[in-house]
Amino acid sequence: QKEVEQNSGPLSVPEGAIASLNCTYSDRGSQSFFWYRQYSGKSPELIMFIYSNGDKEDGRFTAQLNKASQYVSLLIRDSQPSDSATYLCAVREGAQKLVFGQGTRLTINP
Amino acid sequence: DVKVTQSSRYLVKRTGEKVFLECVQDMDHENMFWYRQDPGLGLRLIYFSYDVKMKEKGDIPEGYSVSREKKERFSLILESASTNQTSMYLCASSRSGQVLGTQYFGPGTRLTVL
Repeated sequence: QKEVEQNSGPLSVPEGAIASLNCTYSDRGSQSFFWYRQYSGKSPELIMFIYSNGDKEDGRFTAQLNKASQYVSLLIRDSQPSDSATYLCAVREGAQKLVFGQGTRLTINP
Repeated sequence: DVKVTQSSRYLVKRTGEKVFLECVQDMDHENMFWYRQDPGLGLRLIYFSYDVKMKEKGDIPEGYSVSREKKERFSLILESASTNQTSMYLCASSRSGQVLGTQYFGPGTRLTVL
């Protein structure tokens, strides 16, 4: 089974700064990558996805893939207190399954 | 918008009870999943189903069974609940045939087994 690793944190970032979250994956052939955000007591919600062919930007969020080193990054620009949450990285396995990392807890300090 | 609903947000059961957790999705998704989430262990796949009456074991199926009699509904069954099954249970669904395979989650059921 593929493995997905994340630093559990907590990662503390001042408001307005860039938050950088990383995720490493074990299967070099992986092609679909996801970032989910999970607020405390809530279920995960998808915030970004990327294919193996490139990076993606959506508003304040940018997902970057480094295939050579087998890691995926999520950058959050102009961090806001409402960005404080746990961020889950997931990699697609097979036709239907996703393998999730343990999540990184992010705290944005006002 | 995809909507995935779960039958209960909070549930308290006693050891040995049979427990049913239900999940319903309204987007005609072929695939449905049951996960449990525990602190420090992340999301772990219990079972998934890619079609009606079809099921496949995930990473931690022991002590659980599932039922999918209709496309929109996927049930998780704890035959004899034990305290180590106290956890947050999350249901998800996704469409087949997509390159991505994005999964959409329900609100979760926090189960406590006493």
